[in-house]
Amino acid sequence: RKEVEQDPGPFNVPEGATVAFNCTYSNSASQSFFWYRQDCRKEPKLLMSVYSSGNEDGRFTAQLNRASQYISLLIRDSKLSDSATYLCVVNGDQAGTALIFGKGTTLSVSS
Amino acid sequence: NAGVTQTPKFQVLKTGQSMTLQCAQDMNHNSMYWYRQDPGMGLRLIYYSASEGTTDKGEVPNGYNVSRLNKREFSLRLESAAPSQTSVYFCASSAQGAQSGNTIYFGEGSWLTVV
Repeated sequence: RKEVEQDPGPFNVPEGATVAFNCTYSNSASQSFFWYRQDCRKEPKLLMSVYSSGNEDGRFTAQLNRASQYISLLIRDSKLSDSATYLCVVNGDQAGTALIFGKGTTLSVSS
Repeated sequence: NAGVTQTPKFQVLKTGQSMTLQCAQDMNHNSMYWYRQDPGMGLRLIYYSASEGTTDKGEVPNGYNVSRLNKREFSLRLESAAPSQTSVYFCASSAQGAQSGNTIYFGEGSWLTVV
C-alpha cells in the first residue's frame, strides 16, 4: 500500500460548484497533515494544515479522520483560479523525516 | 523576500556529466530537503538535512550526493548523470523537521534534462 494515495482526477467542474478531494495515508503514527497546491510548472505551496478537529479557511474546509486514516479537502463556490493540482501531504514514519506527498488531484474549473 | 533560491533553473546534461544544483534559504530554517518530481510519480524525497551538519537519505537517493554547506545552503550533486535523472528538482526548507508540523517552503524548481 502506498503511503499517501489520492484520486488523480482530473476533476472538471463549473464555476460555483462544490468539489471534494479525498486522501488516505498508511502510517498510523503520522502526526502532521497538509494540503498543498501546485500550479502548472510551479512549486508546491501550502494551502492549509489539517487539524484533528477539522478546519476552515474561507471556501476551503479540511477534515481528518485518524481512525480511518483519511483526509479530505472541500472547496465551495469554485473559482477559475482554483484550477491546480492539490497535493495531500503527511509526515513520514520517523521523527524528523521529511513530508510524504501524494501524487496529487488535478482540478479544472471552467466558466 | 527571496525565501528558497535554487540554481540553475534549466540545465541540459550529457550522460555521464556531473553537475551540482545549488540551494539557499534566507529564513534561518534548520531543515532542508531535495525532492524530484516526475510525471505520474509525484514528489519523491531524495535527501534531507534535519539540521546543519546532518544529512539523511530519502526515498530515491541513488545517483545523488548532498552537502549541507552551512545553515543556509544545501547542494545536490549528480556525479554521473543518467537519462533516468531527467526530472524537475525542488529544494525546500522548514523551520524544524516534518514531525513538528512546520510549513515547508519550496524553491521554484530546476528543470534538468539528461540526454
